[in-house]
Amino acid sequence: DVKVTQSSRYLVKRTGEKVFLECVQDMDHENMFWYRQDPGLGLRLIYFSYDVKMKEKGDIPEGYSVSREKKERFSLILESASTNQTSMYLCASSFAEQYFGPGTRLTVT
Amino acid sequence: GENVEQHPSTLSVQEGDSAVIKCTYSDSASNYFPWYKQELGKGPQLIIDIRSNVGEKKDQRIAVTLNKTAKHFSLHITETQPEDSAVYFCAATPLPGYKLSFGAGTTVTVRA
Repeated sequence: DVKVTQSSRYLVKRTGEKVFLECVQDMDHENMFWYRQDPGLGLRLIYFSYDVKMKEKGDIPEGYSVSREKKERFSLILESASTNQTSMYLCASSFAEQYFGPGTRLTVT
Repeated sequence: GENVEQHPSTLSVQEGDSAVIKCTYSDSASNYFPWYKQELGKGPQLIIDIRSNVGEKKDQRIAVTLNKTAKHFSLHITETQPEDSAVYFCAATPLPGYKLSFGAGTTVTVRA
């Protein structure tokens, strides 16, 4: 069974903290993605990676960075969390169809 | 970049009736159009997709149509059931597996 797992379902952090969101897929997919989901805005692409050696900015990369040291793992990093980064974060991986994880609801206070 | 618009943002239908969600896109390079369903507390899941060389595709009670000339595509759900209540997203991309541009989503509620 296809699986994309995210390290936390709910996370509460303070402003200024460094935050790591982890994503692991077990399908040997090359492509991995991080999206942010906000009401009325749909899913917006933060960063993506088509290869372990490759990371590309999406539509809203400001305030985020990523790490992909292994094919199956793609991490999203909030260098200094701010309240406007309170959101649902979704990780996905794909060969053709994109498979999504369950999401991490991050609250920054 | 690609801009996908989706309407309506909310849709309430009586059980057994049909539901239609419409999307438009801006980039003529887009050739693959998936639709995702997101249930409460879960990540989006692909329910149907269509490629640019096909005008219509059907899977049981769900169908998708594509008009590449007009740059719009639609999702049709017939004989709606309570389990169809969810948020639906359309998306567009040049190639399957490539990064997706999503619409804002439609919250569908099926009334018993």
